[in-house]
Amino acid sequence: DTGVSQNPRHKITKRGQNVTFRCDPISEHNRLYWYRQTLGQGPEFLTYFQNEAQLEKSRLLSDRFSAERPKGSFSTLEIQRTEQGDSAMYLCASRTDQETQYFGPGTRLLVL
Amino acid sequence: AQSVTQLDSQVPVFEEAPVELRCNYSSSVSVYLFWYVQYPNQGLQLLLKYLSGSTLVKGINGFEAEFNKSQTSFHLRKPSVHISDTAEYFCAVSGQAGTALIFGKGTTLSVSS
Repeated sequence: DTGVSQNPRHKITKRGQNVTFRCDPISEHNRLYWYRQTLGQGPEFLTYFQNEAQLEKSRLLSDRFSAERPKGSFSTLEIQRTEQGDSAMYLCASRTDQETQYFGPGTRLLVL
Repeated sequence: AQSVTQLDSQVPVFEEAPVELRCNYSSSVSVYLFWYVQYPNQGLQLLLKYLSGSTLVKGINGFEAEFNKSQTSFHLRKPSVHISDTAEYFCAVSGQAGTALIFGKGTTLSVSS
């Protein structure tokens, strides 16, 4: 296994711009999760996919956020019209039907 | 609803001293419990997990945790810490349906010589 990978690792953008992050899960992991982590806090759940189906979304996921997982492989998280409050680390995790989630290194977003 | 409380936001210790990082959870259903470690600017690495069976769980890097159902606790311990253990530690819970993890706010462990 090469582990969960995320790109880019860092993103700086201006308020109002759109950004897209990518997550490549461990191969054959059918479940994929997105979390957001702000400074000094634990990760907070955003959304969850089983294969290509998005099964759960947190109330933290406003209308400006959208996530996809075409073909049940990699996933993208897009934030439209970014706001300064969107600045955070965005973490992706994947797992099989077993219980342990394996996390990627995260994408750190800074909105100026 | 489930929640996790990490009772100490910061724990400073000297190298080779023992350490305990405290975690309490609340849940109306049976849960799985986890401890993750996060080094600066990195993702989370699993230290150990409790799913069922023995209440004493051993993990990587010499850490262990004990599940106490009556006290709804899952405290993390290490008998002798190293400088390299300096990091942020997160306790997390998930339902047995295996949905999202609910994390505590984290405990910063600072090990000095």
